[in-house]
Amino acid sequence: EPEVTQTPSHQVTQMGQEVILRCVPISNHLYFYWYRQILGQKVEFLVSFYNNEISEKSEIFDDQFSVERPDGSNFTLKIRSTKLEDSAMYFCASSDAGENIQYFGAGTRLSVL
Amino acid sequence: QKEVEQNSGPLSVPEGAIASLNCTYSDRGSQSFFWYRQYSGKSPELIMSIYSNGDKEDGRFTAQLNKASQYVSLLIRDSQPSDSATYLCAVSAIRGSYIPTFGRGTSLIVHP
Repeated sequence: EPEVTQTPSHQVTQMGQEVILRCVPISNHLYFYWYRQILGQKVEFLVSFYNNEISEKSEIFDDQFSVERPDGSNFTLKIRSTKLEDSAMYFCASSDAGENIQYFGAGTRLSVL
Repeated sequence: QKEVEQNSGPLSVPEGAIASLNCTYSDRGSQSFFWYRQYSGKSPELIMSIYSNGDKEDGRFTAQLNKASQYVSLLIRDSQPSDSATYLCAVSAIRGSYIPTFGRGTSLIVHP
């Protein structure tokens, strides 16, 4: 069964460092998303991406965040200068159409020290 | 601001019983409703989607939607210990945005 894959599963970084979280969406999907979930909190939307551009973003997705689809399969989230409060699970999701069901990857746990 | 409210629980039910999970939402324009199951430390896994008023059944799961009351629920029949997880309600509006807003989730414990 097709699935969304994310790497790494756990990323530890020092405050102020840049991190790149990677995702391979389901191959025939066209819409890609990043969410985060701080421990014990709700899943929060960060950004959606379609046709090589951001289609929607939340207030959380400020200038320190960026997304990119560097090739035909990968979808990345970059955090330029990590803060302690960026520590969370980051989930990538994809869907075959904007209004359709989103399928989530297993997540990357980001720990900022 | 769109809000999705769930009782955080935990909801504890004995094995074999019916578990009833509830969710209310604030945006009257909401059109799509989802229930996700999330095991501790894992990603959300979609278990049900519902778009029209009424009931939708899938195996042991039944989703119920009442748009007039802005209420959606999930019933789990014949609950099993493996159903123990956090259940997330997510709501999205076709008008303006397809991005779902998630509730905090209800923790369900099914004890043998």
